Amino acid sequence: AQKITQTQPGMFVQEKEAVTLDCTYDTSDPSYGLFWYKQPSSGEMIFLIYQGSYDQQNATEGRYSLNFQKARKSANLVISASQLGDSAMYFCAMRGGLSGGYNKLIFGAGTRLAVHP
Amino acid sequence: DAGVTQSPTHLIKTRGQQVTLRCSPKSGHDTVSWYQQALGQGPQFIFQYYEEEERQRGNFPDRFSGHQFPNYSSELNVNALLLGDSALYLCASSARLAGRGGAQYFGPGTRLTVL
Repeated sequence: AQKITQTQPGMFVQEKEAVTLDCTYDTSDPSYGLFWYKQPSSGEMIFLIYQGSYDQQNATEGRYSLNFQKARKSANLVISASQLGDSAMYFCAMRGGLSGGYNKLIFGAGTRLAVHP
Repeated sequence: DAGVTQSPTHLIKTRGQQVTLRCSPKSGHDTVSWYQQALGQGPQFIFQYYEEEERQRGNFPDRFSGHQFPNYSSELNVNALLLGDSALYLCASSARLAGRGGAQYFGPGTRLTVL
């Protein structure tokens, strides 16, 4: 069965510092996609970044980058130059292939990030 | 460019009642997925609609049903409400053939409280 594990319930970082949020996944599908979402207290899930299982390079989107280590089945999110507005819940998610269901996203339990001034 | 919209934002019902939640997808999107997010947990997939048909379903009972309209908007219906149905219900839209891995874009959610 497909599974996403986020082992850090909470993290805090100083403003302007970089922070890494951990995510490991489990799947038997050779084709899958990995996503990170941000959920502020308002509740809306905001798409941040995507990494495909066959992508050769790590994905980057502005201050966000995804450290994809396929052999270790990890997909950590790196946020550079943290800002106060980055304080939120962060979810790692996976979209599976044939066995896992191409259509649905499977989410981890999330990591709450607090950015301190 | 309007994002995903959901209505209502909040809803209070009593056990045994029925509820309908509504979702309008982002412009250019044709696929709608519904998720249930209990407090302190990650979202759980309920089902996905494309071309007005349910394409995939998560581990939810038949009390949860849905519909997609020709304009791609969607409804989630829950019958015989239980206390455990209290949650944030998130709608997500995506384009069937799209870049970024067909990323799903979420609406603000509907907070359902069952008393």
